[in-house]
Amino acid sequence: AQTVTQSQPEMSVQEAETVTLSCTYDTSESDYYLFWYKQPPSRQMILVIRQEAYKQQNATENRFSVNFQKAAKSFSLKISDSQLGDAAMYFCAYRSVQTGANNLFFGTGTRLTVIP
Amino acid sequence: GAGVSQTPSNKVTEKGKYVELRCDPISGHTALYWYRQSLGQGPEFLIYFQGTGAADDSGLPNDRFFAVRPEGSVSTLKIQRTERGDSAVYLCASSSGPGVTEAFFGQGTRLTVV
Repeated sequence: AQTVTQSQPEMSVQEAETVTLSCTYDTSESDYYLFWYKQPPSRQMILVIRQEAYKQQNATENRFSVNFQKAAKSFSLKISDSQLGDAAMYFCAYRSVQTGANNLFFGTGTRLTVIP
Repeated sequence: GAGVSQTPSNKVTEKGKYVELRCDPISGHTALYWYRQSLGQGPEFLIYFQGTGAADDSGLPNDRFFAVRPEGSVSTLKIQRTERGDSAVYLCASSSGPGVTEAFFGQGTRLTVV
């Protein structure tokens, strides 16, 4: 079974600064998807960014970018120009591309605090 | 609807009681997922529906848990003989079809068993 590990239970960043959240995963598959989700106090999981494993180029969405290291099975999230609204729990997730495998495997999350 | 809707938002029940949690997915989404999120943990998969049928129920922890989706839209997660260990946030997500990578989540139901 796939496992996802987030080794940073809590992180903090000054407003307007940059922060990197770490994620590693374990899989024997060669193709898969990786995700970062944000969960504010409202509990709703919001997709931040997605990476297909077959793509070498790192995904970028505005202030959010990833550093995908396939050989190392590492998938970190960089948040630039941090804003107060970025404060939330962040979850890394894995999904297989195998037919019939549709569910996500989540890490335990990192709580991000943004300091004004 | 505009998003995934889950009701109730919060539910407190006594140990041993039966509860039903409802999920109303985004209109037209054929794929529906239930996850359970215990305190301090990430969500864990429970069951996946494609249309009316449960395509994968491998995450249901035991036979006290059951879910239905009779008309391929609204789904109900049913928990019999609730235990204190069932206390968690139950999240529902939907997507426009199998293999579609983006799933949209609801705000969850926080279940507390006392």
